[in-house]
Amino acid sequence: RKEVEQDPGPFNVPEGATVAFNCTYSNSASQSFFWYRQDCRKEPKLLMSVYSSGNEDGRFTAQLNRASQYISLLIRDSKLSDSATYLCVVNTNAGKSTFGDGTTLTVKP
Amino acid sequence: DTGVSQDPRHKITKRGQNVTFRCDPISEHNRLYWYRQTLGQGPEFLTYFQNEAQLEKSRLLSDRFSAERPKGSFSTLEIQRTEQGDSAMYLCASSLELDRNEQFFGPGTRLTVL
Repeated sequence: RKEVEQDPGPFNVPEGATVAFNCTYSNSASQSFFWYRQDCRKEPKLLMSVYSSGNEDGRFTAQLNRASQYISLLIRDSKLSDSATYLCVVNTNAGKSTFGDGTTLTVKP
Repeated sequence: DTGVSQDPRHKITKRGQNVTFRCDPISEHNRLYWYRQTLGQGPEFLTYFQNEAQLEKSRLLSDRFSAERPKGSFSTLEIQRTEQGDSAMYLCASSLELDRNEQFFGPGTRLTVL
């Protein structure tokens, strides 16, 4: 079993739709959590950190459930430019980062 | 551009040759990471440095791989006796040693081993 698991998708949604991605992690000692976005053949870019209380950045909302070891990302009012692969990342206190394999989103007109 | 830079961007080599990649992190960042990524997979952790100290190395990393960060600034990743299975994108990231450790990635070096 992988340390960080994501549904690979693909998710194909129309513009304006709301879409949610889930991620589970196995290391209960994990300390910090992130969502990254990766466009085809480009490097990953930090989308947002994930805080225990949940946090929102414009159309994006991230949630963390430590008890269930579960992270989510919600995208509202999807845009064509949101099409990308979304990577869930989990860090230990020692500094090691573990990435999921990503969920692919395609937003269609 | 004050972001993370990597050199070269592309490398094609023959099996058995040695290759070396360079990463220049964001100047004030003291942590530097190396990852490998293949198609359809997320970045796979290889190793990381805090200043010049190599603090962790993946068990998946064979003895043919070595990384250095001699002065705590730029880093090099060397692969000796390359194999076709080494073909991948090699990504470098840097971060500040803060409690959340947000990492910023360079554009990567794409290695093709023939």
